[in-house]
Amino acid sequence: ERVMTQSPATLSVSPGERATLSCRASQSVSSNLAWYQQKPGQAPRLVIYGASTRATGIPARFSGSGSGTEFTLTISSLQSEDFAVYYCQQYNNWPSFGGGTKVEFK
Amino acid sequence: EVQLLESGGGLVQPGGSLRLSCAASEFTFSSYAMSWVRQTPGKGLEWVSGISRSGDSTYYADSVKGRFTISRDNSKNTLYLQMNSLRAEDTAVYYCAKDHGASSFWFDYWGQGTLVTVSS
Repeated sequence: ERVMTQSPATLSVSPGERATLSCRASQSVSSNLAWYQQKPGQAPRLVIYGASTRATGIPARFSGSGSGTEFTLTISSLQSEDFAVYYCQQYNNWPSFGGGTKVEFK
Repeated sequence: EVQLLESGGGLVQPGGSLRLSCAASEFTFSSYAMSWVRQTPGKGLEWVSGISRSGDSTYYADSVKGRFTISRDNSKNTLYLQMNSLRAEDTAVYYCAKDHGASSFWFDYWGQGTLVTVSS
């Protein structure tokens, strides 16, 4: 089982600032990594797949990078609607999720 | 817009059974693999089970293997999860999730979820 570890658990950011979220895999997952955004009371929403490809309708301020075991989700200029919990998920083999990073208002 | 609507959740006693359904619309259901993913406050998101486009192939997490059965009816655009021998640790919100393709195991659309509570 590939264990996914996200850091930090909570990220306090002001609107307009850059947010950088990290995700580490216990073994290489190549580029088979997705990021999801989840707001309270809502289902997860796909943000990034293939480590760096934005999903349909996702603004360009979201970008993903990395391969192997180290991945990053960057939100270049945080907007009010971006405050949420973000999860990474590997699909190199049986899917597994990270524990999430909560992006909160500073 | 893709729609996934789960139903069938509720309160059940340990050892009991429950059947979840997921009604899909606004996409060609038979062209995509599907999965169930659950979420608990303590363990976060956990993939539970997946099924191929035709239903011929099914996949399970070790935590539910032998107790849960996934199935689909492409004529009714509906996904199912039969849950038997339920345990307290199965308590979670269960999401139906559309696979991007043929069992790629990343999910481009999710339903709103249905809550399953296992308690006496």
